Amino acid sequence: ELKVEQNPLFLSMQEGKNYTIYCNYSTTSDRLYWYRQDPGKSLESLFVLLSNGAVKQEGRLMASLDTKARLSTLHITAAVHDLSATYFCAVDMRGSNYKLTFGKGTLLTVNP
Amino acid sequence: GAGVSQSPSNKVTEKGKDVELRCDPISGHTALYWYRQSLGQGLEFLIYFQGNSAPDKSGLPSDRFSAERTGGSVSTLTIQRTQQEDSAVYLCASSLVGDGYTFGSGTRLTVV
Repeated sequence: ELKVEQNPLFLSMQEGKNYTIYCNYSTTSDRLYWYRQDPGKSLESLFVLLSNGAVKQEGRLMASLDTKARLSTLHITAAVHDLSATYFCAVDMRGSNYKLTFGKGTLLTVNP
Repeated sequence: GAGVSQSPSNKVTEKGKDVELRCDPISGHTALYWYRQSLGQGLEFLIYFQGNSAPDKSGLPSDRFSAERTGGSVSTLTIQRTQQEDSAVYLCASSLVGDGYTFGSGTRLTVV
């Protein structure tokens, strides 16, 4: 059974600081996703990582993938209040019809 | 349509009643997924459709849950004899097989 673990589950940061969210998964997967969810809203796709060593950046967020370690990171640079949200990682596999298995999410609060 | 549309956005029902949740995927997306998001369980896969067929129903929690998809488009998730533990946000996502997902805004179901 594919399992996805995120940590930390709760993260409170000050504006301007850097931090990293970690996502480990238990078996070989095809793709790794990062999503953002604002309260009461749906999931917004941030990044899709396909291959070992993949790195993608958008604004203050950078995601990377190490398939050998089965680890992805989401790095936040110089956090701002607008980044406050819940962040989920998820993986899928062709062999399981590409259904997503999600981590429990990281609730990020950026304090002014 | 431009995105995945779900209705109703909110539903309050009495315990024991049946409810129907609707998902209208992006036109041309052959794959459709239902997920459930609840406080205790996070985001869980329920069912996957490829066209009108459901090759993976492994996430449906009980025989009170069923789903269908017609015309390779609209899907309906039906919950019979609702229980309080069915209270959650039900999310629908569509994709081209092997491609990224687009999530709807969800239906918040409250069973009282």
